[in-house]
Amino acid sequence: DAGVTQSPTHLIKTRGQQVTLRCSPKSGHDTVSWYQQALGQGPQFIFQYYEEEERQRGNFPDRFSGHQFPNYSSELNVNALLLGDSALYLCASSSGLAGTSGELFFGEGSRLTVL
Amino acid sequence: DAKTTQPNSMESNEEEPVHLPCNHSTISGTDYIHWYRQLPSQGPEYVIHGLTSNVNNRMASLAIAEDRKSSTLILHRATLRDAAVYYCILRESSNDYKLSFGAGTTVTVRA
Repeated sequence: DAGVTQSPTHLIKTRGQQVTLRCSPKSGHDTVSWYQQALGQGPQFIFQYYEEEERQRGNFPDRFSGHQFPNYSSELNVNALLLGDSALYLCASSSGLAGTSGELFFGEGSRLTVL
Repeated sequence: DAKTTQPNSMESNEEEPVHLPCNHSTISGTDYIHWYRQLPSQGPEYVIHGLTSNVNNRMASLAIAEDRKSSTLILHRATLRDAAVYYCILRESSNDYKLSFGAGTTVTVRA
């Protein structure tokens, strides 16, 4: 049973470019959330998707957008990249909105470097 | 704004217990206490969670103070594989995905 898979694992972009990161949730999971983790800090919540809609959002600008597909996989898009966007981007999946413990399963992340 | 306070780091010897404290003085009655850990070069991993009563699972135990303003994660016999950053997080419900991780406690295990 594959866990949460993310791609690419590493990528380098320059300021002003756009990037798309991808996430496949754990089998049986329908909810995906995204986190940004800067070096030496804890992960920060970006947003969460359920039933192909953004349900919750953290304190991130509109340059950060996402999408969830009918197969529950998700994409994170970041436009007009800034140096400060350099970070590890983590995807987490879980099952449903309620009725479970809500344990999050994280992928190993996509390491983005902006030059 | 951090909801929990943890020590920056702790050291332990292999096969000895580790007690990781967490203060959450502003906890509300509906907040669950969750613990995650992050091993080097990996994403966070769920450890345990609880509401009011102490909890045990195969990975650890969670002891919750009677007033719920603090809790302690207990690793009964630390192994080298337990070296990680441990995060104590308050979560309103299973519908709450806005987890605030903070800086966590870096645990070092000496062989």
